[in-house]
Amino acid sequence: EIVLTQSPGTLSLSPGERATLSCRASQSVTSSYLAWYQQKPGQAPRLLIYAASSRATGIPDRFSGSGSGTDFTLTISRLEPEDFAVYFCQQYVSSPFTFGPGTEVHIK
Amino acid sequence: EVQLVESGGGLIQPGGSLRLSCAASGFTVSSNYMSWVRQAPGKGLEWVSLIHSGGSTYYADSVKGRFTISRDNSKNSLHLQMNSLRAEDTAVYYCARGFCSSGSCYPHPLNHWGQGTLVTVSS
Repeated sequence: EIVLTQSPGTLSLSPGERATLSCRASQSVTSSYLAWYQQKPGQAPRLLIYAASSRATGIPDRFSGSGSGTDFTLTISRLEPEDFAVYFCQQYVSSPFTFGPGTEVHIK
Repeated sequence: EVQLVESGGGLIQPGGSLRLSCAASGFTVSSNYMSWVRQAPGKGLEWVSLIHSGGSTYYADSVKGRFTISRDNSKNSLHLQMNSLRAEDTAVYYCARGFCSSGSCYPHPLNHWGQGTLVTVSS
């Protein structure tokens, strides 16, 4: 089983600031089969990024993903008020298709 | 428009059974890859089960032998039969569809999600 670790657990930032979220895998995520999801309180997760760096349909270009192998990053270039949420990474290279524990981005 | 609506959650005693349903619209369930993902209160996401368009099924170790994923093609719906329920199965259960692009569909990532249904296992 591939274990995903996300850091930091919590990020306190102000609107307009840059957010950098990390996701590290216990073994290589081949073919960059890694996704990022955003979840707001009381809502279902929403797909942001797939294949490590491809934005899903309708996702603003302030969201970007990068990385390969075992180290991946989600960057939000300038935080908007609606971006304060929890972000999860997920690997889908092999079953079980594990998620990271999440990074909460909250308003400073 | 793709829509997924879960139902069937509720309060159930340990050892009991429950069947969750997910009504789909805007696409055909049998032609797609469908998953169940759960989230315990205040916790992260846990992938539970996947059914391929071809019918193959996959389960997390934590539910293998107790849960069964299936679909009803006539009703365009997805189901999760949950037996021998435990307190640690308490969670919001989401159904989700895999990813489709340029006429091809894949089991992941999960591009469309329902709103979830809460299952509480408690005496």
